[in-house]
Amino acid sequence: EAQVTQNPRYLITVTGKKLTVTCSQNMNHEYMSWYRQDPGLGLRQIYYSMNVEVTDKGDVPEGYKVSRKEKRNFPLILESPSPNQTSLYFCASRASPGLKGSEQYFGPGTRLTVT
Amino acid sequence: GENVEQHPSTLSVQEGDSAVIKCTYSDSASNYFPWYKQELGKRPQLIIDIRSNVGEKKDQRIAVTLNKTAKHFSLHITETQPEDSAVYFCAASIIGNQFYFGTGTSLTVIP
Repeated sequence: EAQVTQNPRYLITVTGKKLTVTCSQNMNHEYMSWYRQDPGLGLRQIYYSMNVEVTDKGDVPEGYKVSRKEKRNFPLILESPSPNQTSLYFCASRASPGLKGSEQYFGPGTRLTVT
Repeated sequence: GENVEQHPSTLSVQEGDSAVIKCTYSDSASNYFPWYKQELGKRPQLIIDIRSNVGEKKDQRIAVTLNKTAKHFSLHITETQPEDSAVYFCAASIIGNQFYFGTGTSLTVIP
């Protein structure tokens, strides 16, 4: 089954404790991205990656890191989480731009609370 | 960068009526405009999309129209049903680049 998976789905942590949210897709997609969703603000892109070893900042990259060492994985790293990073996070992937069916598939979401 | 505005933020309609959600964008280079539906506690899912070389696209009860000159696009849902109740997001993108989302419209269909 074609899918994007994220782990963990729920996480409560404390300020300053490094954490990683994993994202994996099994569709051989080149393009992957991370979004955060906050009430009234919609979905805002944090980072995106056009292919292995190629990453770019989105609209709200501060406080986050990503890496793309393999095509299928795109982890999101919070080196020193702060309460303003409490949010719902979505990973997404899609095929190469321009191809028919360049639908973006979203993972199930990770609800992060930083106290 | 691109700025996408979406209106209204909330919309209530009677079952069977039509619903229209409108979005405007700022970057004339944007050429891909998807619409997503997000049910409570679920992930966003693509319901329809349109590219800049097309003015309208339909899929059963859902249609999207695009006015490139005015830089706005709209989602039209006809014969609404209770299962259409959800949050709808528009987005704009230059194919190959990042996506910019609207702030969402919470649609409630009243039986």
